Order: sequence, then structure tokens, then C-alpha cells
Amino acid sequence: SQTIHQWPATLVQPVGSPLSLECTVEGTSNPNLYWYRQAAGRGLQLLFYSVGIGQISSEVPQNLSASRPQDRQFILSSKKLLLSDSGFYLCAWSPPGRSSGNTIYFGEGSWLTVV
Amino acid sequence: AQSVTQLDSHVSVSEGTPVLLRCNYSSSYSPSLFWYVQHPNKGLQLLLKYTSAATLVKGINGFEAEFKKSETSFHLTKPSAHMSDAAEYFCVVSVGGSTLGRLYFGRGTQLTVWP
Repeated sequence: SQTIHQWPATLVQPVGSPLSLECTVEGTSNPNLYWYRQAAGRGLQLLFYSVGIGQISSEVPQNLSASRPQDRQFILSSKKLLLSDSGFYLCAWSPPGRSSGNTIYFGEGSWLTVV
Repeated sequence: AQSVTQLDSHVSVSEGTPVLLRCNYSSSYSPSLFWYVQHPNKGLQLLLKYTSAATLVKGINGFEAEFKKSETSFHLTKPSAHMSDAAEYFCVVSVGGSTLGRLYFGRGTQLTVWP
């Protein structure tokens, strides 16, 4: 069966410091990978998605970047964090392909607090 | 344009009584519909999904939902609530042709279960 791991679960970082959130998926090949951010009382905002190694699409301009160095590894990064980067970040995966019926499976999430 | 409306922000039920969480959607195309559950500080877990097969969809933990195209609804039900069902529930729409990973979320329904 497929599993998704995301870490760290909680992170407190000072303004201006770098960020690295990591996500790995097991039990599948060539998954679509995603990073979302969740604001309180709202749904998820898609930040980045990737259909393959080195292929990253950004949905919103922001202080963050993403990379996919391996097939099942997805990293969310920032060189200098802003206070507004605080939030709950979720990594997710779906089977390859673009069918709208493909289920998106979420990791446990990472709480980022920028102080 | 796509949108999802969860008609109740909070629902409270007693343990052992039925649960009804309401969801209406608007979509220009034939959508795929999902219900996810989120426990505090956790990722989203898929309960069930509809992708144009049977209109009555059975999910995990005794939940089911019925797709009614004429009413543009996808309400989530469970015959008998359990304390462990207390969580936030999201109705989600995915549309073919949209950006990969672009999901349309309702604002969520917080389910409280009283002993």
C-alpha cells in the first residue's frame, strides 16, 4: 500500500531564516506530488505541483519554492522566511495522469510558525 | 465556474443518532466529488468519492453520500454517530481540465458528537 511521510511535524523559525519541509511517498511510482497551505477556517490553497522529477509548477507567486530531486521526494523551501509564511502545510500525492477522478492523498501536515 | 457550499459550519449530534452534513456544488463540467475528514492538527483523510459511477457512494467508517445531479448536492450521512467522528469535514470538487491538483473546497463543517 502507499504511504506518505512529511516532516517535520512542527517547526518554529525566526524571520529571515531558511525553510525546508520534506515529503516522501512510498509504494507507488511516478506520482503527482503537491504542496498545499491551509488557512484557518478555509480550504487548501495549492502552492506547487509536480508531474515528474525536476518538473515544478507554481500556482501562486510567493516567498516559497519547491523541488523534486527524486521520483518520490518533494521539498518545500524558502531562503528567507516571512511572518506571513506561518501556517499549516500539507504534502499530497495522486496517481499519475490528469484525471479529475484521481484521489489526492494527504500527509499529516507541518505546522510552521515564523517568529 | 466551480464552487462548493457547505450549508452548515457546525453540526452537533448525540452519539448514536444520525449525521447529515450538507454540500451543494456548482460546476461547469462533470465534477468528481470527495468528502475528506480532518482531525485537529492532522492531514486530510479521504472518506469517499464520486466519479460518475454509482450515485450512492459508500465510504469508510460507515459514511455514505448520494450524488444528486438535479439538486447539485452531495450530502454526507451516517446512520449512527460515534464519538470518534468528531472532526472537521470538507466537501471537495475536482474538475477535469483544471490545473492539476486544483481542488475546490467547501469551508468545512465542524461535527461535534455529544455523549
